[in-house]
Amino acid sequence: QKEVEQNSGPLSVPEGAIASLNCTYSDRGSQSFFWYRQYSGKSPELIMSIYSNGDKEDGRFTAQLNKASQYVSLLIRDSQPSDSATYLCAVNVVSNFGNEKLTFGTGTRLTIIP
Amino acid sequence: KAGVTQTPRYLIKTRGQQVTLSCSPISGHRSVSWYQQTPGQGLQFLFEYFSETQRNKGNFPGRFSGRQFSNSRSEMNVSTLELGDSALYLCASSLLGGNQPQHFGDGTRLSIL
Repeated sequence: QKEVEQNSGPLSVPEGAIASLNCTYSDRGSQSFFWYRQYSGKSPELIMSIYSNGDKEDGRFTAQLNKASQYVSLLIRDSQPSDSATYLCAVNVVSNFGNEKLTFGTGTRLTIIP
Repeated sequence: KAGVTQTPRYLIKTRGQQVTLSCSPISGHRSVSWYQQTPGQGLQFLFEYFSETQRNKGNFPGRFSGRQFSNSRSEMNVSTLELGDSALYLCASSLLGGNQPQHFGDGTRLSIL
C-alpha cells in the first residue's frame, strides 16, 4: 500500500463549479497535511496546510481533514480555468531514520472546462 | 523575501558524466530537501539536510549524494549518470523540516543523452 494515495484523474470540472480532490494516507501517526498546486512545467506551490480535524478555509480553497478515516480533501469553489493544474497531497510520515519527512502523492490532474 | 533558488535551470549531460546541482534556501530556513520528479514516478524523495547533516534519505543508489554548508545552501551530486536520471530535480526548504511546510525552487531539468 502506498503511503499517500490520490486519484490521478484527469478530473474535469465546469467553470464555476466545485472541484473536489481527495487523498488517503496510511500512517496513523501523521500530523501535518499539505496541498500543493503544480502547473505544467513549473514547480509545486504550497496552497494549503492543515493540522487538525475539520475544515480550514482560505479564499476559494477549503481543506478537510478526517484523521479517523485517514482522509484529507481539497475543495475549490467557483473553479476558474486558472485552477487547471496537478494537485499534490503531502503528508508527514516517520521515515526509517526515525525522523519525519514529507511524502507526496502522485497528484490529481484537474482541468476546468470554460 | 527571496524564494528558493536553484542553479542551473537546465543541464544536458552524457552517460557516465557527473553533475552538481545547487540550492539556496529561503533566508532563515535550515532544512533543505531534494526530490526527483519524473512523469512516471512523481515526486520521489532523495534526502534531507539540516544543520549540515543528512537527516533523512530516500531509496536512491549511492550515486546520488548531497551536502549542506554552514549557510544552509545545499548541493546535490550525481555520479556516473544514466539515461534514467533524466528528470526535474527539485529542492525545497523549510524552517526546521520534519512536519513543517516546504517551499520549492524552480528546479533543475537534467537531460542525459
